[in-house]
Amino acid sequence: DSGVTQTPKHLITATGQRVTLRCSPRSGDLSVYWYQQSLDQGLQFLIQYYNGEERAKGNILERFSAQQFPDLHSELNLSSLELGDSALYFCASSPGHLSYEQYFGPGTRLTVT
Amino acid sequence: AQKITQTQPGMFVQEKEAVTLDCTYDTSDPSYGLFWYKQPSSGEMIFLIYQGSYDQQNATEGRYSLNFQKARKSANLVISASQLGDSAMYFCAMSGTNTGFQKLVFGTGTRLLVSP
Repeated sequence: DSGVTQTPKHLITATGQRVTLRCSPRSGDLSVYWYQQSLDQGLQFLIQYYNGEERAKGNILERFSAQQFPDLHSELNLSSLELGDSALYFCASSPGHLSYEQYFGPGTRLTVT
Repeated sequence: AQKITQTQPGMFVQEKEAVTLDCTYDTSDPSYGLFWYKQPSSGEMIFLIYQGSYDQQNATEGRYSLNFQKARKSANLVISASQLGDSAMYFCAMSGTNTGFQKLVFGTGTRLLVSP
C-alpha cells in the first residue's frame, strides 16, 4: 500500500458525460501528479500540482482539468467524455516538487460507453 | 525530449533464476533520474528502484538492482532469485532537468512471466 488513495476504483459512464476522479496523497506529500494509461498511448503524464498550484502540464486535453485543494487532495475533472478517454487514471504523490520516488495510487479505471 | 525504449515485450524466467529487463534511454538533460515500476495484474504501480545520473554506484533494493551504464544510455533492471509473485508488467521511466524533474516519461513496458 503506497499510502495514496484514489476514488472511485471503477467508473462506467456514457459519452458526453462529465466525471470527477479524486486523489488523496500520502501524508506529508505536497505534490500530486496525474497520469493516464491507455492501450494505445501507454502511460502519459497529464498534470502536476504542488501545494495547491499547477507546476507542470503534459498532454492534457482541454476537456480535462484538475485542481489541488488546501487539504492537498486533488481532483481530475473529465468532461465531454469520448470513447477514447477510457483508460486507467493514476494519481501519484511525492514530498516535494521533484519527481523522485513518485508513489502511485491504485488507479481509477474509467470506461466510457 | 526524453525517450525510454523497452525492446522486450515479454520475458519468461523460471522461479529462482535471475532475469534482466532491458531499458535504454535518450535525453539531452545534464542531470536525470531513472526509475523502475512494477504493475501487477491488479493494476497498481509499485515503485521498485531509482538511479540518479550522477550516482557512482548502481542502485540496489533487495532482490532488485539497476545495471546503469551511462555511456550506453542503458538502465537495465536485474531481478535475482525470481519468485512467482514477480510476474507482472515492468516499466522503466525517467525524469530530468529539462522537465524540472516534474514528470515521469515511461517506456512501453515488459511483461515478465515467472514459471514454477
